[in-house]
Amino acid sequence: GDSVTQMEGPVTLSEEAFLTINCTYTATGYPSLFWYVQYPGEGLQLLLKATKADDKGSNKGFEATYRKETTSFHLEKGSVQVSDSAVYFCALETLSGGYNKLIFGAGTRLAVHP
Amino acid sequence: NAGVTQTPKFQVLKTGQSMTLQCAQDMNHEYMSWYRQDPGMGLRLIHYSVGAGITDQGEVPNGYNVSRSTTEDFPLRLLSAAPSQTSVYFCASSYGTDDSPLHFGNGTRLTVT
Repeated sequence: GDSVTQMEGPVTLSEEAFLTINCTYTATGYPSLFWYVQYPGEGLQLLLKATKADDKGSNKGFEATYRKETTSFHLEKGSVQVSDSAVYFCALETLSGGYNKLIFGAGTRLAVHP
Repeated sequence: NAGVTQTPKFQVLKTGQSMTLQCAQDMNHEYMSWYRQDPGMGLRLIHYSVGAGITDQGEVPNGYNVSRSTTEDFPLRLLSAAPSQTSVYFCASSYGTDDSPLHFGNGTRLTVT
């Protein structure tokens, strides 16, 4: 079945460092892909999305490109801040029973230190 | 605009007890769902609903019941709690269409002893 695999965390970086969180997926067809972020004590929030191959989603300095050939959707940011410390989830949207559902990866915790 | 509201935020139960986790949304979303979040496993879908009176099972439905009598509310019931149900539970809603992202509540942390 459809699945999402993320790199294991935690990822620990210094402020202004470059961030990459890897995400690969297995799916039939061409699903929409998402990154969600969860700040401490809160629910998940949509960070960015891409709906077709070669699309680039971007938001708040984060970017991810939908790579069909490598079935990947890696999250990147050029210069992280302490406020980016959170858990990041990669997800794909699958059609099941006539409705769209999200399948999530295990999540990657990011800790950014001053 | 309250969004998705979950209550309670924390709950401790003894094995065998029952309880209901409440979820309400004020965005007129047709689609509502319950997830559980466990370390290293991401979020797994428990049950979902595509409208009032319509519910269906997700990936891990055993031990949980749901109903959807109104568009706004989607309670999750544990009839006989087990330690394996210790988790953080999230309710989420959306319009259920393309380009309609899921909106999540802040979660309920449940401990079953």
